Amino acid sequence: DAGVTQSPTHLIKTRGQQVTLRCSPISGHKSVSWYQQVLGQGPQFIFQYYEKEERGRGNFPDRFSARQFPNYSSELNVNALLLGDSALYLCASSLVSQASPLHFGNGTRLTVT
Amino acid sequence: AQSVTQLGSHVSVSEGALVLLRCNYSSSVPPYLFWYVQYPNQGLQLLLKYTTGATLVKGINGFEAEFKKSETSFHLTKPSAHMSDAAEYFCAVSESRRGSGDKLTFGTGTRLAVRP
Repeated sequence: DAGVTQSPTHLIKTRGQQVTLRCSPISGHKSVSWYQQVLGQGPQFIFQYYEKEERGRGNFPDRFSARQFPNYSSELNVNALLLGDSALYLCASSLVSQASPLHFGNGTRLTVT
Repeated sequence: AQSVTQLGSHVSVSEGALVLLRCNYSSSVPPYLFWYVQYPNQGLQLLLKYTTGATLVKGINGFEAEFKKSETSFHLTKPSAHMSDAAEYFCAVSESRRGSGDKLTFGTGTRLAVRP
């Protein structure tokens, strides 16, 4: 079975630009979450989407937005990029139940210059 | 609010030695607890989880962890380290109450090195 897939794997952008990251969950998983992992730190929760609705949002500015499509795939958008947005962006999918573990993709490495 | 503290950002052990990675948590409601491993340039892989029931949890690759409510701890152990265990390990907590969703709060991680 295919795991969580993310694209692109690497991305280089300039300050002020906009970026879109994509994620396809494991088949059958309806919940998708996004995490930001800055070098040397643990992942930080950005968003969770379930059935195309936002179910949770972390402490990130409004420059960060996301959506989920009918096939449960998801996009994360970041506007007006800052140097501090450079990080590994991880997508995770899970089943509906509360204690279901998250299954992570390999992430998108974003570098902002 | 919930939080996780991982004591020791770097741990080094000899091959065949005991691995002990420490995790303490804070949660206002009964927690769900997780350990994830991250290899270079990869995402996170679940090692084990505690939700309810037995407090000693066994995971993949010979790892196990024990939930101790009185100590608010969830330390990860493995009796005998293997070279392939070298990686970054993250402890995470989520709230068990309905509606908390998939928000995991992670610790800052512990990098495990295994010496030949």
